[in-house]
Amino acid sequence: QVQLQESGPGLVKPSQTLSLTCTVSGGSISSGSYHWSWIRQPAGKGLEWIGRIYPTGSTDYNPSLGSRVTISVDTSKNHFSLRLSSVTAADTAMFFCARMTPLGYFDSWGPGALVTVSS
Amino acid sequence: DIQMTQSPSSVSASLGDRVTITCRASQAISSWLAWYQQKPGQAPKLLIYAASTLQSGVPSRFSGSKSGTDFTLTISSLQPEDFATYYCQQAKSFPYTFGQGTKLETK
Repeated sequence: QVQLQESGPGLVKPSQTLSLTCTVSGGSISSGSYHWSWIRQPAGKGLEWIGRIYPTGSTDYNPSLGSRVTISVDTSKNHFSLRLSSVTAADTAMFFCARMTPLGYFDSWGPGALVTVSS
Repeated sequence: DIQMTQSPSSVSASLGDRVTITCRASQAISSWLAWYQQKPGQAPKLLIYAASTLQSGVPSRFSGSKSGTDFTLTISSLQPEDFATYYCQQAKSFPYTFGQGTKLETK
């Protein structure tokens, strides 16, 4: 049973870059035909898909975030990472990492990491 | 982007009730739809994918169906652990999008 765990600073200053890492355990990030995704959820609100990465490094991003988002993968460490630049208070949210099946569904999730953007 | 609209936004029900939640896509998505359950303080959990396929380990009281661009999640007999918020998600095209959620509350 694969498990995911987000980690990173819980507080980021406006205009700075948010960085989170998702560590995968119980299986190799390179096995199967899975993509690995980031999804965020502002408090009391719905879910927004941020983007995904394949173990080869191929990525797809949500255009709503423009060029602010970068997702990378380190297969040797069995983890993938999110960077979101030029953050504002509107980026305050719970950030989830998730495994995405070849059909496009999210079948395993991390518990989430709360990131607050504030000076 | 494909917009996913859920109804109702909230619903009150009692143990043993049959509950139906609807999700409508702004354009045709075939059967590229999933349903998730989220409890407070937890990550979402995949319940149903491909509109009607039950994820492994999910109780059979949950079911999904499709009619055109309308999708339905049905809980046949509410159990205490079913009170949660439910989201639909389309996997037809990027960016993947979710419905706004339906909160299932106890009556």
